[in-house]
Amino acid sequence: DTAVSQTPKYLVTQMGNDKSIKCEQNLGHDTMYWYKQDSKKFLKIMFSYNNKELIINETVPNRFSPKSPDKAHLNLHINSLELGDSAVYFCASRPTGVETQYFGPGTRLLVL
Amino acid sequence: GEDVEQSLFLSVREGDSSVINCTYTDSSSTYLYWYKQEPGAGLQLLTYIFSNMDMKQDQRLTVLLNKKDKHLSLRIADTQTGDSAIYFCAENFGGATNKLIFGTGTLLAVQP
Repeated sequence: DTAVSQTPKYLVTQMGNDKSIKCEQNLGHDTMYWYKQDSKKFLKIMFSYNNKELIINETVPNRFSPKSPDKAHLNLHINSLELGDSAVYFCASRPTGVETQYFGPGTRLLVL
Repeated sequence: GEDVEQSLFLSVREGDSSVINCTYTDSSSTYLYWYKQEPGAGLQLLTYIFSNMDMKQDQRLTVLLNKKDKHLSLRIADTQTGDSAIYFCAENFGGATNKLIFGTGTLLAVQP
């Protein structure tokens, strides 16, 4: 299947832990994004990479560090997890020259 | 600044038309989108409109854009129970980053 995929789908962890969530797209897109959807369903952009280069870095705590090993992958590492990090994290991608973004299924993170 | 607002909730009867509204403050966007999020699922792109268009029709969906009033609407004809979901409008400002600014989301409940 051609798609944007995320792993894991669900992640339950303790406060203070470090965790990573992964995103992969096999659509050949050049740009990838991370969005956060909080408990009130508000969706906000966090980061964007174009061909492995960071192009958007919104006001996000530096405990969050994105990494793009190649243009098909964009991972999100979170250090010292806090209760407020509980949310659904969506990855998205888009091809160059096209403005439409395609979203992954989301990773539901719960910090206890 | 970039601010996109939607009413939180809309309830309709099956077979009726639904109209979901969205207002925005920054009129420099290039595209405006409607995404659908079913319970526990990811974001599905429904339709989009280029900022120099007034209307776009796609089967049961009609998008109306009033740039003067900075108002976007999505009309769903013959609403079905399967249309029950949260609907997000989003602005895209194009350029190098193509950042999407999402509305607050409208929960559409379709009563049988």
